[in-house]
Amino acid sequence: DADVTQTPRNRITKTGKRIMLECSQTKGHDRMYWYRQDPGLGLRLIYYSFDVKDINKGEISDGYSVSRQAQAKFSLSLESAIPNQTALYFCATGGTLAGQPQHFGDGTRLSIL
Amino acid sequence: QKEVEQNSGPLSVPEGAIASLNCTYSDRGSQSFFWYRQYSGKSPELIMFIYSNGDKEDGRFTAQLNKASQYVSLLIRDSQPSDSATYLCAVSEDSSYKLIFGSGTRLLVRP
Repeated sequence: DADVTQTPRNRITKTGKRIMLECSQTKGHDRMYWYRQDPGLGLRLIYYSFDVKDINKGEISDGYSVSRQAQAKFSLSLESAIPNQTALYFCATGGTLAGQPQHFGDGTRLSIL
Repeated sequence: QKEVEQNSGPLSVPEGAIASLNCTYSDRGSQSFFWYRQYSGKSPELIMFIYSNGDKEDGRFTAQLNKASQYVSLLIRDSQPSDSATYLCAVSEDSSYKLIFGSGTRLLVRP
């Protein structure tokens, strides 16, 4: 089984719908991250969390919200989806020490019509 | 704003050659440097990390770091067609748990 699991893997929905992307991990890491990837723009950080009580905005948090339900679970919500949120979304986890690498889930391909 | 720059490519090399991928970064406080490989439509996969100036070798991969010049590079020896992918450079400060990613360099290894 994958260490970082994202669901769903693919989603097509309509403008204005509420969408939740889920991430769970078995790595035992405290830190979890949500990124989006657009062609030619690399990975951009949406939100990150150091534990269930610590949620932080990334560089592109507008239009998104998150919930850290447990150490192992971190979900990303689009309250009212719009077409320019069509992208590939990745969840990642990070170890205890600063400067350690992050490990990525398989991603969710989200299309908003 | 902290930036990580990479040439988008594609960098095309023949099979068996050395592929050299480069990355520059703007923040002199950066302390940790990572190379990820990403196949089309797949997730980034960590292949190398380096913290100190100099070279670090792991199999066919060598990461090179020069903090004075603010660049980090990845060499892939004996390149194989299976190495064809996008390579992402990522940089972090020691005091930060965030990574700043470059937009990636696409590598094409020709059989």
